[in-house]
Amino acid sequence: DAGVIQSPRHEVTEMGQEVTLRCKPISGHNSLFWYRQTMMRGLELLIYFNNNVPIDDSGMPEDRFSAKMPNASFSTLKIQPSEPRDSAVYFCASSRPTGGGETQYFGPGTRLLVL
Amino acid sequence: GESVGLHLPTLSVQEGDNSIINCAYSNSASDYFIWYKQESGKGPQFIIDIRSNMDKRQGQRVTVLLNKTVKHLSLQIAATQPGDSAVYFCAENMGGTYKYIFGTGTRLKVLA
Repeated sequence: DAGVIQSPRHEVTEMGQEVTLRCKPISGHNSLFWYRQTMMRGLELLIYFNNNVPIDDSGMPEDRFSAKMPNASFSTLKIQPSEPRDSAVYFCASSRPTGGGETQYFGPGTRLLVL
Repeated sequence: GESVGLHLPTLSVQEGDNSIINCAYSNSASDYFIWYKQESGKGPQFIIDIRSNMDKRQGQRVTVLLNKTVKHLSLQIAATQPGDSAVYFCAENMGGTYKYIFGTGTRLKVLA
């Protein structure tokens, strides 16, 4: 089985540019999560989708961040305009209900560096 | 890759020895727990999970112990191998919700 797929794996961009991160969840998983991981703050939940619908976006830092899930097999996280403080590793994770608590499976991450 | 925290606690073990990694979780209402392994430059990888109606669960070379009285979780790795070197962190989930609280992690170094 293919796991969660993310692209690009690495992204280096200049401040002010638009960045789009992509995720393909595991087939059959109905929940999708975007996380950000930094040295100082660890893993932070940015947004959660269930059945393609955004349920909780309270972790999205500000209006510069947006996320979409147009169908069950694809999601994007966009940063526009990007800033140096957005530099981090961004993970996508997916899960399906397992009867109380859902095991989340993570992708390999996108390492973003904003200069 | 970078995982969590500038000063992760580090556990150094000799190859072939057993490793025990500990985690104190925060919410007494949490009822589902996961251990993840994160290797350098990779995403967190599911290792083993346990529900609150259990005290112990075993996998291949790994065992998770849950002590609800003191809100403590441990991961035991038998016959530690160089490939086990990574950051390990626990995650707790409360009441079947989608939110997890992730621990800060422990770096395991396996000495040859």
